[in-house]
Amino acid sequence: GNSVTQMEGPVTLSEEAFLTINCTYTATGYPSLFWYVQYPGEGLQLLLKATKADDKGSNKGFEATYRKETTSFHLEKGSVQVSDSAVYFCALSDQGNAGNMLTFGGGTRLMVKP
Amino acid sequence: DAGVTQSPTHLIKTRGQQVTLRCSPKSGHDTVSWYQQALGQGPQFIFQYYEEEERQRGNFPDRFSGHQFPNYSSELNVNALLLGDSALYLCASSFKGPYNQPQHFGDGTRLSIL
Repeated sequence: GNSVTQMEGPVTLSEEAFLTINCTYTATGYPSLFWYVQYPGEGLQLLLKATKADDKGSNKGFEATYRKETTSFHLEKGSVQVSDSAVYFCALSDQGNAGNMLTFGGGTRLMVKP
Repeated sequence: DAGVTQSPTHLIKTRGQQVTLRCSPKSGHDTVSWYQQALGQGPQFIFQYYEEEERQRGNFPDRFSGHQFPNYSSELNVNALLLGDSALYLCASSFKGPYNQPQHFGDGTRLSIL
């Protein structure tokens, strides 16, 4: 079956530090990959996506590149802000599904200190 | 443009009771999915509705059932509640299309079982 593995948190950084959150996946087909962010007390917001190998998704300074050879989709940001503090979820949607069901990783909490 | 809306925001029930959660999809969306998010974990897919029929189902018992109405809104019903059903229940909507269509999430219903 499909699965997503993320690095465990919390990740604690100082403002303006470089961020990497690792994500690897297992899928039977050619999945689309997503990063979602969840702020306290809220639902999930789509941060970025990539639909095929070597695609780079980007949004609000965050980037992730779909690496089929390493089955990875690591999230990066060059300079984090306090407002980036949240829980980040890596997810995949498999072409083999009749719909677009998402399989999520366990989430990584990011805490940014001023 | 209203996003995905869910009601109620919070709910407290006791073991053995039944509960109904409601979701209105984002304008223009025709597909609704439900996810269960236990504390500190990633969301788990429950099921997806399209054209008023259940199209996909995750690994959840028959106590979990749903419905989609002609206006695309949806309900999630859980019977014979267990303590382990305590979680944040998220509704997500999208429009039917390629498997990589991103899902848009509501803020969820927090269900507590006493």
